[in-house]
Amino acid sequence: GQNIDQPTEMTATEGAIVQINCTYQTSGFNGLFWYQQHAGEAPTFLSYNVLDGLEEKGRFSSFLSRSKGYSYLLLKELQMKDSASYLCAVRDSNYQLIWGAGTKLIIKP
Amino acid sequence: IAGITQAPTSQILAAGRRMTLRCTQDMRHNAMYWYRQDLGLGLRLIHYSNTAGTTGKGEVPDGYSVSRANTDDFPLTLASAVPSQTSVYFCASSAASGDSYEQYFGPGTRLTVT
Repeated sequence: GQNIDQPTEMTATEGAIVQINCTYQTSGFNGLFWYQQHAGEAPTFLSYNVLDGLEEKGRFSSFLSRSKGYSYLLLKELQMKDSASYLCAVRDSNYQLIWGAGTKLIIKP
Repeated sequence: IAGITQAPTSQILAAGRRMTLRCTQDMRHNAMYWYRQDLGLGLRLIHYSNTAGTTGKGEVPDGYSVSRANTDDFPLTLASAVPSQTSVYFCASSAASGDSYEQYFGPGTRLTVT
């Protein structure tokens, strides 16, 4: 079966750095996405990786290792507004997105 | 409007009733999707459409139907609602169904079936 694993919840301090991990087992791989979802709102796109390595976009970076079935999202200089759930999704061989359950990130002052 | 709109925002529905959730996008995206999101579970794909006139089944299609008569609209119908269909429903669209095209999400419809 297809499976995306992420930690359920993480806590970090304002101004610090946090890394959210995602491991996956899917039928085929055509890219990995990270989305942010604030409580009661729709998911919004953060990043996309299809090749191994690090993609940097401002305070957010995303890393992919296809051989290990592993990705992480790195958030730097954490702000209170970063409190949200972070969703990992993999595009499978049918070009459909398989979603993880999300990691709820709590930022403390 | 800009983006994706969904209606209604929320609804309480008696079991056995028929209900259509509406979704409209103005980005001229080819692909559209319906997901449900339940606590502790990832988004699950119900149905999708890669282009107007075509639809496909996702991971959890039973009890739901869709149509795609034009590019902009992608309604989701529950023929006879059951309590297990209580969920938050998100409509999404993307420029195309492959490669790096990200999906844009509507604000969601919170449905409670009693």
